[in-house]
Amino acid sequence: GAGVSQTPSNKVTEKGKYVELRCDPISGHTALYWYRQSLGQGPEFLIYFQGTGAADDSGLPNDRFFAVRPEGSVSTLKIQRTERGDSAVYLCASSLNGPLNTGELFFGEGSRLTVL
Amino acid sequence: GQQVMQIPQYQHVQEGEDFTTYCNSSTTLSNIQWYKQRPGGHPVFLIQLVKSGEVKKQKRLTFQFGEAKKNSSLHITATQTTDVGTYFCATLFNTNAGKSTFGDGTTLTVKP
Repeated sequence: GAGVSQTPSNKVTEKGKYVELRCDPISGHTALYWYRQSLGQGPEFLIYFQGTGAADDSGLPNDRFFAVRPEGSVSTLKIQRTERGDSAVYLCASSLNGPLNTGELFFGEGSRLTVL
Repeated sequence: GQQVMQIPQYQHVQEGEDFTTYCNSSTTLSNIQWYKQRPGGHPVFLIQLVKSGEVKKQKRLTFQFGEAKKNSSLHITATQTTDVGTYFCATLFNTNAGKSTFGDGTTLTVKP
C-alpha cells in the first residue's frame, strides 16, 4: 500500500482480555516503530524493530506488552491482561532506514484501544 | 528521564497573526524533527534539523535549531486556518537507540 496501514482502527475490550494490534509498514521500510499516544500528550515510544529483530524495546511498560515482526514486514503488538490504563491510541510508524540514518517517520492512522 | 519540553501548550491566534512554538532540552540534542498532527489525524513529518544554528524555511514556516543544540523553534508567519493542529518536536537522545522522544506538543487554533 501507499502508506502505513494499521488494524483495527478501533478496539473496545474488557479488562483482563488479550488484544492484538497489527501494523503493515510501507513496502521496503526496514525500520518499524510502535508508539502510544494518550489525549493531550505526544507519542510515547514503545519498541523499535530493524528488520525482524527488536533493536530497542526499552519503552514497553511491562511484560504484558510484546511485539513481533517475524518476516521483517508486518508487525503485531500484543497486550495481555489488558488494564484500563492501557487505553490509548497505538501508533505504528516506519522509516526507510533506522535512527542512525535518521529520516522521517511515516505514521499510520493508529489503533484506538479502549479498555472497559 | 530525558525529555523535551514544548511551550506554550496551547496558542489561540487570529488568522493572519504569527505563531511560534519552542522546544527545549537540558541536554544537547543530536537532531530535532518537527511533526504536525491535525485534529483526529496522525503525526506528519515536517522537517529535520541536525546542525548547530541551522535555519530552514518551508513557505510560511521557519524552523531553527539553537547554537547549543538544546532548543529549537517553529515560527509560522501569517497563520491560516489550515495551520490548525498540534505541532510536536521529536529528537533522538541516543543515536545508538531507537527511540525518538516526542514533546507534548503545542496545539494551535486559528480564528478566521
